[in-house]
Amino acid sequence: EAGVVQSPRYKIIEKKQPVAFWCNPISGHNTLYWYRQNLGQGPELLIRYENEEAVDDSQLPKDRFSAERLKGVDSTLKIQPAELGDSAVYLCAIGGGQTFNEQFFGPGTRLTVL
Amino acid sequence: QKEVEQDPGPLSVPEGAIVSLNCTYSNSAFQYFMWYRQYSRKGPELLMYTYSSGNKEDGRFTAQVDKSSKYISLFIRDSQPSDSATYLCAMYSGGSNYKLTFGKGTLLTVNP
Repeated sequence: EAGVVQSPRYKIIEKKQPVAFWCNPISGHNTLYWYRQNLGQGPELLIRYENEEAVDDSQLPKDRFSAERLKGVDSTLKIQPAELGDSAVYLCAIGGGQTFNEQFFGPGTRLTVL
Repeated sequence: QKEVEQDPGPLSVPEGAIVSLNCTYSNSAFQYFMWYRQYSRKGPELLMYTYSSGNKEDGRFTAQVDKSSKYISLFIRDSQPSDSATYLCAMYSGGSNYKLTFGKGTLLTVNP
């Protein structure tokens, strides 16, 4: 967790409002992931980056979600407009395993949409 | 049917008990199997991983994979209150496919 900083840690908004999450990983990791974890569920992949390029965004609801990774380091995930069903924990992870796809997760941002 | 099934529990055991956590899966392409531990309000952290079938031991933790049955297990010996957390199984097929598929997680409480 020390290798990935996420902010804010908690966010409460009303539906239809926009919201943004930030992920600040330690440098040197080419691969970055955004996951959504609903209550009582395992994380589900939203998008994967290799450097600046989104190489897998098939699970990202593109009508309301967008993401970017500038300079291949920090990343933002945005929702506009938010819906009640978007309440979840949004996790950022970096990949860096030598022998397998070990992923290091940040603490997540807990979003509540009222 | 979900690709990975995991009993969400909750599971409550006394300190010192042996804990058995399990997942089943349906995708025969999965080759890498992992167990993550997630404390409340924290992100998941990797406990153990296994490639293909077999056993792997690390201290009080043992991971088992039976690909013929599509069944994986995590055993915790001499469980401690500090082991209280949600345990998530995860797996992926490897190669260029990096996508981890997680189970729901099992909430474990070890009572002193």
